[in-house]
Amino acid sequence: DAEITQSPRHKITETGRQVTLACHQTWNHNNMFWYRQDLGHGLRLIHYSYGVHDTNKGEVSDGYSVSRSNTEDLPLTLESAASSQTSVYFCASSAGAQETQYFGPGTRLLVL
Amino acid sequence: KQEVTQIPAALSVPEGENLVLNCSFTDSAIYNLQWFRQDPGKGLTSLLLIQSSQREQTSGRLNASLDKSSGRSTLYIAASQPGDSATYLCAVNRNGNKLVFGAGTILRVKS
Repeated sequence: DAEITQSPRHKITETGRQVTLACHQTWNHNNMFWYRQDLGHGLRLIHYSYGVHDTNKGEVSDGYSVSRSNTEDLPLTLESAASSQTSVYFCASSAGAQETQYFGPGTRLLVL
Repeated sequence: KQEVTQIPAALSVPEGENLVLNCSFTDSAIYNLQWFRQDPGKGLTSLLLIQSSQREQTSGRLNASLDKSSGRSTLYIAASQPGDSATYLCAVNRNGNKLVFGAGTILRVKS
């Protein structure tokens, strides 16, 4: 079955370190998204991509970057981790602009 | 700026009851609205997607309605079961499938 996976599922890091969270989908979806989920803020869009070599900033993109070198993967990089980036991160994908989004299981990140 | 509100924030009902979860949004210019379920410590599971041209969608015991002009959607759950206990999230698609989420309704169905 097609799916969307994220790794690692849990990560502890120190402030100032660079961290990369992986997202891989096997649906061959063009659209991929990264969200963070925090108590009191709900889910907020970080970055998104509509295809290979396309990347766009979302609502809360400061301190994050993404790259899209193939259809299946959209890694999220925290350039210099900050305690404010402690959160649960979700990756999602969809076939088109008005199609259902499918979410990965999430990565729980703690920045100390 | 699109804002999405879900009421109530939490709900506790006995098993077997029919219930309604509410979602409202401030900007009616949406492409579609999606309802999700989230279990503790898990990802989001898509339940229903309603396109802006549709009035409702049904899947099993779930029925979602959309009134775009008034900025409202409801999720109706019939004959609730303990396994329905979860957080329910609604999200509106402004454009390009960039979802704006509500804070969710935490549902507990007591056996």
